[in-house]
Amino acid sequence: KNQVEQSPQSLIILEGKNCTLQCNYTVSPFSNLRWYKQDTGRGPVSLTIMTFSENTKSNGRYTATLDADTKQSSLHITASQLSDSASYICVVSVNYGQNFVFGPGTRLSVLP
Amino acid sequence: AAGVIQSPRHLIKEKRETATLKCYPIPRHDTVYWYQQGPGQDPQFLISFYEKMQSDKGSIPDRFSAQQFSDYHSELNMSSLELGDSALYFCASSLGRGAKGSYEQYFGPGTRLTVT
Repeated sequence: KNQVEQSPQSLIILEGKNCTLQCNYTVSPFSNLRWYKQDTGRGPVSLTIMTFSENTKSNGRYTATLDADTKQSSLHITASQLSDSASYICVVSVNYGQNFVFGPGTRLSVLP
Repeated sequence: AAGVIQSPRHLIKEKRETATLKCYPIPRHDTVYWYQQGPGQDPQFLISFYEKMQSDKGSIPDRFSAQQFSDYHSELNMSSLELGDSALYFCASSLGRGAKGSYEQYFGPGTRLTVT
């Protein structure tokens, strides 16, 4: 069964600190992995997309890593800001198509 | 820059009524995706269209249908509405499907449907 798991479920950090979110997947055949940021009641915003051959990708203060062998990905956020408070969702694309498996998300709260 | 437009933003319907949600993709984008996100749940992929043809189907109920028109906008038609259909419905668009599906998806703001 295709599945995406994320940890932690929720995370609280102080402004300016760094944090790392984890994503594990059991999906076959793997096409690509995306990290999305979703504010409550809003549409998800794509942060990074990585294919099988990519093992790191950065987007500003966001850096994603992918280990296709262990089927793990991480999203590292540096120098967190209050506006980083949101849900971060790991999504894996299956079978070279447009079918996606969404993880449950990590709810990040950045406090002043 | 132009984004994905969805209308209406909010919709209230009664059980057994019908509803039509509209999605206008980013100009020149040829692929549209529909997602349903229930309260406190993950977004669920419903259906997608590429060049006006259905390209993939997810967990879309038989009571729902969708199509993509010649101007690439898409409509999600929902009939015999049930209380459980209350959710946020997102539309996303992309330009083509890319190699190995690594294309960028842009999401609209969503339509919040409430069924009473």
